[in-house]
Amino acid sequence: GQQVMQIPQYQHVQEGEDFTTYCNSSTTLSNIQWYKQRPGGHPVFLIQLVKSGEVKKQKRLTFQFGEAKKNSSLHITATQTTDVGTYFCVGYDDSWGKLQFGAGTQVVVTP
Amino acid sequence: EAQVTQNPRYLITVTGKKLTVTCSQNMNHEYMSWYRQDPGLGLRQIYYSMNVEVTDKGDVPEGYKVSRKEKRNFPLILESPSPNQTSLYFCASRDRVLFTEAFFGQGTRLTVV
Repeated sequence: GQQVMQIPQYQHVQEGEDFTTYCNSSTTLSNIQWYKQRPGGHPVFLIQLVKSGEVKKQKRLTFQFGEAKKNSSLHITATQTTDVGTYFCVGYDDSWGKLQFGAGTQVVVTP
Repeated sequence: EAQVTQNPRYLITVTGKKLTVTCSQNMNHEYMSWYRQDPGLGLRQIYYSMNVEVTDKGDVPEGYKVSRKEKRNFPLILESPSPNQTSLYFCASRDRVLFTEAFFGQGTRLTVV
């Protein structure tokens, strides 16, 4: 089964509000990546986190990697309709030798 | 333009009729993989390949075959499709050595009746 758990599974957000999605791993990760998949589209790379406690920002998106490298979060401020889609985290653990996808958070934005 | 190309985009077939979904990338990536995406389950890896002639099972390999005779191509073969293989399939490639971004194809929506 999946070793990377992602919550929540669904997120309804009013336009202009903030929200956060979380990924948790049972093991220490080497790296974590985040992807966005628009409805009807394919996953597209957003960002990669490598260092413990790392924080990266892309405009209204803030990505964080936990100190223990077992969890990560994506925070979106002032949500817009263009933020609609499913956000996946993808963990990489050297012991797995492969990418492990979280189930994704499906985001619906209400105008 | 860097891209991963999958064909066909949509396919409806009958149980037991062999089919192949093609995947090609133009980035000289060594690592390629196939995923299926089902509601509530996210992306699950079917097979992956670290290099030419090297393939390995992912999490859900039953009922699927792959081959990697050339670096750029990684076809997915369903020898005898069944209705439980109805799903959305994605091919992806990335640099093998560096943990860089994965590039995904546009997806193939397969329906087996």
